[in-house]
Amino acid sequence: NAGVTQTPKFQVLKTGQSMTLQCAQDMNHEYMSWYRQDPGMGLRLIHYSVGAGITDQGEVPNGYNVSRSTTEDFPLRLLSAAPSQTSVYFCASSYSTGAEQYFGPGTRLTVT
Amino acid sequence: ELKVEQNPLFLSMQEGKNYTIYCNYSTTSDRLYWYRQDPGKSLESLFVLLSNGAVKQEGRLMASLDTKARLSTLHITAAVHDLSATYFCADMAGNDMRFGAGTRLTVKP
Repeated sequence: NAGVTQTPKFQVLKTGQSMTLQCAQDMNHEYMSWYRQDPGMGLRLIHYSVGAGITDQGEVPNGYNVSRSTTEDFPLRLLSAAPSQTSVYFCASSYSTGAEQYFGPGTRLTVT
Repeated sequence: ELKVEQNPLFLSMQEGKNYTIYCNYSTTSDRLYWYRQDPGKSLESLFVLLSNGAVKQEGRLMASLDTKARLSTLHITAAVHDLSATYFCADMAGNDMRFGAGTRLTVKP
């Protein structure tokens, strides 16, 4: 099993550009989530999904969209990048809501 | 408001010493999570505590949960350099997981 994979590992965007961060898991997990990690602030939940076709907002959803068309994939879209979105983004999955989460390797995003 | 507070945020220990990291949370959740993160790396699950009074141990780390006090502790016994990392606790309310700011642990020889 590859576990949770994320692409790209690094990305630099200019303000106003859009892009999609990819996340996939091969463990048949129902729950998937996206977090951002900023220095000194721990991880903050952006969006999550409890199954294919179901998504919901977390603590900091503004400026981001998600979709879950399959169990395996959970892409995160930045609609119009802003410098405040410079962060490390982690995708995670778990067998069910409340189970331990498995994290991907992260994407380091810089918006200039 | 959901809040998870860890202390201390920074901890420098000598090898062989014991110490405890504290995690206070604001919800009425009965489960609490501990993760480890090495510099520049992703997060690794350490413990999932599922009920009041739960205690789990793995090597030199032991975690406990007191849901009445809304407090979880991560106790380090006889620290070794390999334990140097950042440790996060997290609480889950419904489908929403909230993390503490993390405790950066440095174990010195």
